[in-house]
Amino acid sequence: GAGVSQSPRYKVTKRGQDVALRCDPISGHVSLYWYRQALGQGPEFLTYFNYEAQQDKSGLPNDRFSAERPEGSISTLTIQRTEQRDSAMYRCASSLAPGELTYNEQFFGPGTRLTVL
Amino acid sequence: KNQVEQSPQSLIILEGKNCTLQCNYTVSPFSNLRWYKQDTGRGPVSLTIMTFSENTKSNGRYTATLDADTKQSSLHITASQLSDSASYICVVRGTSGGSYIPTFGRGTSLIVHP
Repeated sequence: GAGVSQSPRYKVTKRGQDVALRCDPISGHVSLYWYRQALGQGPEFLTYFNYEAQQDKSGLPNDRFSAERPEGSISTLTIQRTEQRDSAMYRCASSLAPGELTYNEQFFGPGTRLTVL
Repeated sequence: KNQVEQSPQSLIILEGKNCTLQCNYTVSPFSNLRWYKQDTGRGPVSLTIMTFSENTKSNGRYTATLDADTKQSSLHITASQLSDSASYICVVRGTSGGSYIPTFGRGTSLIVHP
């Protein structure tokens, strides 16, 4: 497809389990961002990549959260030992230019709704 | 800390009426401000981008304004339609350091009634 895709769209897991969320950006896009969005709130930055290099991970809440983009395309956000407070919509976005070029539009995926029981 | 505040939090208007959404920010040094429309269950989609030198920009029935001195922006929707019902999010980016990371407002939830 032409847009950003994410999988799964919905994930329900039990507290303490690990989850892996996948983002497939628009082909050829250099930068890829991960965001977390609580209900009724705007997206909150987690981390971003230029190609395969993780440029900024200052938004990751703690060391249970990690992300990778090993070949500069698909990215995986992993949450270890999930907790109920991790429940949220996780969105990724991609942009044609590197993330430091702030004028470039970000194109958002549909998100993964994570529910931790 | 960079912040983006939006008002009102929610708004209900009748179809055909106009409305104005507000965005105040503290991001500095400023690079640009985008307004996004987010339909329920979908990701945000950019409506318009405002840079430092721009005061007003239109995109169809949407008109954005920017006052970089007071760090305020507005999004005016003219002759509202039912399809305008959505969340409108203001996003600001700076030019240096961590401020180029997008800072998102909480959004204004707009409901247009027939």
